[in-house]
Amino acid sequence: AQSVTQLDSHVSVSEGTPVLLRCNYSSSYSPSLFWYVQHPNKGLQLLLKYTSAATLVKGINGFEAEFKKSETSFHLTKPSAHMSDAAEYFCVVSDVASYDKVIFGPGTSLSVIP
Amino acid sequence: DAGITQSPRYKITETGRQVTLMCHQTWSHSYMFWYRQDLGHGLRLIYYSAAADITDKGEVPDGYVVSRSKTENFPLTLESATRSQTSVYFCASRDRAGNQPQHFGDGTRLSIL
Repeated sequence: AQSVTQLDSHVSVSEGTPVLLRCNYSSSYSPSLFWYVQHPNKGLQLLLKYTSAATLVKGINGFEAEFKKSETSFHLTKPSAHMSDAAEYFCVVSDVASYDKVIFGPGTSLSVIP
Repeated sequence: DAGITQSPRYKITETGRQVTLMCHQTWSHSYMFWYRQDLGHGLRLIYYSAAADITDKGEVPDGYVVSRSKTENFPLTLESATRSQTSVYFCASRDRAGNQPQHFGDGTRLSIL
């Protein structure tokens, strides 16, 4: 069965410092993995996706994530946080067994301190 | 503009009333989904549809009805609203290819008094 764990419910960083949001997954098959961002009163916006191509995936707004099969991880990083990065971030997994439905992580709230 | 549109954005109604939330997408995506988002529960799937006239239950379908007579529309109806259905509702769509991401609308904030 699929599952997603986001190890931190809340992360706080200073503006200009690196961001690391952690995600671990469980899947019986080769997974597809996604990171979404949700700003207040908005829908979820796709940041990046991994679908069995390059393991280092670059997304929008300077975010990237690395798929590590041995660690079953898909952590999201950004070299330098910006105030506009403050939002909720969701890690999502799907696989061939259940492409009809995906599994959302519980979310990580990112705060950026000026 | 292409995209996915939800209406209304905000709705207040009373218990026992019927309310319908609308979702329209312009991509001709095969799949459409309805989620509710609540504090402490994250996103939960209510119903989804793989194509016109094909719908299936998600994790929390009780009290909701969906239909999909046209590919681009996927309305969600609360037949007799209850306070526990106060939530933010999101519609999403996805291309047929299984490994593609879902695209989300901006949500409907529904309050039931």
